[in-house]
Amino acid sequence: GNSVTQMEGPVTLSEEAFLTINCTYTATGYPSLFWYVQYPGEGLQLLLKATKADDKGSNKGFEATYRKETTSFHLEKGSVQVSDSAVYFCALRIDRGSTLGRLYFGRGTQLTVWP
Amino acid sequence: KAGVTQTPRYLIKTRGQQVTLSCSPISGHRSVSWYQQTPGQGLQFLFEYFSETQRNKGNFPGRFSGRQFSNSRSEMNVSTLELGDSALYLCASTWKGDEKLFFGSGTQLSVL
Repeated sequence: GNSVTQMEGPVTLSEEAFLTINCTYTATGYPSLFWYVQYPGEGLQLLLKATKADDKGSNKGFEATYRKETTSFHLEKGSVQVSDSAVYFCALRIDRGSTLGRLYFGRGTQLTVWP
Repeated sequence: KAGVTQTPRYLIKTRGQQVTLSCSPISGHRSVSWYQQTPGQGLQFLFEYFSETQRNKGNFPGRFSGRQFSNSRSEMNVSTLELGDSALYLCASTWKGDEKLFFGSGTQLSVL
């Protein structure tokens, strides 16, 4: 089946520290991969995506590379800020065409950044 | 451009009651999907609608239903509420063929 496994949180870092959140997946086809972020009291926002192997998604200093050989899509940022504190979700999407919106999510990783 | 709007923001119901949640997608988006978010199960897909037709359904009991109107607005209904239905219900919309989903802020349902 299709599933996403991401590292358990919470993750607590000091400002300017390096961030890695691990994400691996199992998929029946060739998925597109996503990282979503959820700030307190809000819905999810797309952070970055990659649609094929070796693609690198990037946004706001965050990066993730689609690794087909290791079925991974780890999220990284070189220097986190207090404003990055949020819950991060890794997700995959298999279906295109008639099934447009179904995402398979990981359990989420709470990130807290201290000044 | 307005985002995805979900109403109400909060709901408190008692066991056995039914509830209807509303979602207005971004203008021009014809696909709407619903997710349930709980601390124990995380984010789980409920169903997806496109052009008033349900295209996909997650693994939820028949008490959970939905529909989409001709203006793409969507509603989901939960009948005979159970304590375990307490959750944040998120709606997302997208343009056909686009892989970016836009999420609303959700409806927080509490079942007492």
